[in-house]
Amino acid sequence: AQSVTQLDSQVPVFEEAPVELRCNYSSSVSVYLFWYVQYPNQGLQLLLKYLSGSTLVKGINGFEAEFNKSQTSFHLRKPSVHISDTAEYFCAVSDHSSASKIIFGSGTRLSIRP
Amino acid sequence: DTEVTQTPKHLVMGMTNKKSLKCEQHMGHRAMYWYKQKAKKPPELMFVYSYEKLSINESVPSRFSPECPNSSLLNLHLHALQPEDSALYLCASSQGQGEGAEQYFGPGTRLTVT
Repeated sequence: AQSVTQLDSQVPVFEEAPVELRCNYSSSVSVYLFWYVQYPNQGLQLLLKYLSGSTLVKGINGFEAEFNKSQTSFHLRKPSVHISDTAEYFCAVSDHSSASKIIFGSGTRLSIRP
Repeated sequence: DTEVTQTPKHLVMGMTNKKSLKCEQHMGHRAMYWYKQKAKKPPELMFVYSYEKLSINESVPSRFSPECPNSSLLNLHLHALQPEDSALYLCASSQGQGEGAEQYFGPGTRLTVT
């Protein structure tokens, strides 16, 4: 069985500063990894995904994440945030044998201060 | 087109009512999902349909009844709900396993049970 841990429930950051949202996963098999963003009163939008290949993954809105198998991590980064990045961010994992079932982390609330 | 649509956006129903939530996708995806999301929590998987057949039921109470009329449509029939069932109900779809493992979410239906 897999699990996902998002260590920070809230991350306050000043506008134009860099940000890293941390995600660690646990699985005994090969995994797919995802980051989703949820803006207030909306559904989830896929930011980026790691399925295979290059460990550095670039997504939408200037976000990127790096898959680190030895540390079982998939941290999300952005070099300069904007007010519009204020949202809830969910890390998620599924394994290759049961890819239809995604396990979500508890979420990180990113709040941007002007 | 990566859009999943859901209707209605908002629904208020009494505990004796019967209502239905609808979800539609035209991406040719073969897997469709229902999730329940409470405030400040990650989505919780309820049901998975694969090739129009129910493949996962996460021990959801029988007052929730899913239906997949065809590969593009997914319904969730509601009957005799409880106030604690008030939540955001999200529909998602995916190609299924392998490289198409990512799920695309609709905007959700905000359900209030009075």
